[in-house]
Amino acid sequence: GESVGLHLPTLSVQEGDNSIINCAYSNSASDYFIWYKQESGKGPQFIIDIRSNMDKRQGQRVTVLLNKTVKHLSLQIAATQPGDSAVYFCAEGVFGNEKLTFGTGTRLTIIP
Amino acid sequence: DSGVTQTPKHLITATGQRVTLRCSPRSGDLSVYWYQQSLDQGLQFLIHYYNGEERAKGNILERFSAQQFPDLHSELNLSSLELGDSALYFCASSGPETDLETQYFGPGTRLLVL
Repeated sequence: GESVGLHLPTLSVQEGDNSIINCAYSNSASDYFIWYKQESGKGPQFIIDIRSNMDKRQGQRVTVLLNKTVKHLSLQIAATQPGDSAVYFCAEGVFGNEKLTFGTGTRLTIIP
Repeated sequence: DSGVTQTPKHLITATGQRVTLRCSPRSGDLSVYWYQQSLDQGLQFLIHYYNGEERAKGNILERFSAQQFPDLHSELNLSSLELGDSALYFCASSGPETDLETQYFGPGTRLLVL
């Protein structure tokens, strides 16, 4: 079946370093991808999205890379801060189909 | 703050009971989505409403139902509750188009079934 998964369930990064969170997807028809951040006790918070006609998109301290050839998505966070500690989810969707499929999440811990 | 509100924040009830969760979308958003988040299954899409009409169903049990009202707020009704229904229930909303758009999540309702 179709699935969205993450290579690493946990990731610890030293404060100030860059972090990379990876996500693999299997639905080749997916053309829209989103990264969400979920802090403890809160709802998922939109970080950045990318459509399949792009392979890179940058935001504030975050960059999403999309490799459609190998169905891989990554989220890069530059100069990590303690507030970046959270669970990060990737989600995929197909344009015209409102349903999003979420990955299981990666817990990012920033070490002071 | 995403602009999506959910009530109540916490709910404790017993097996066999029925509860109603409420969601108000962001101002201007016509779509409302409901998700269930449990420890072992992550975020599971339940159902999507657009401007009062059901648009898509996910892994929603027959014991669960939802609706979206003319003022665009939505309610998720959970009946004949079981222990396994204990989870976080999130509502999300997105903009005026029916096509796939960024979903903004509310703070969630934590349901505990005893």
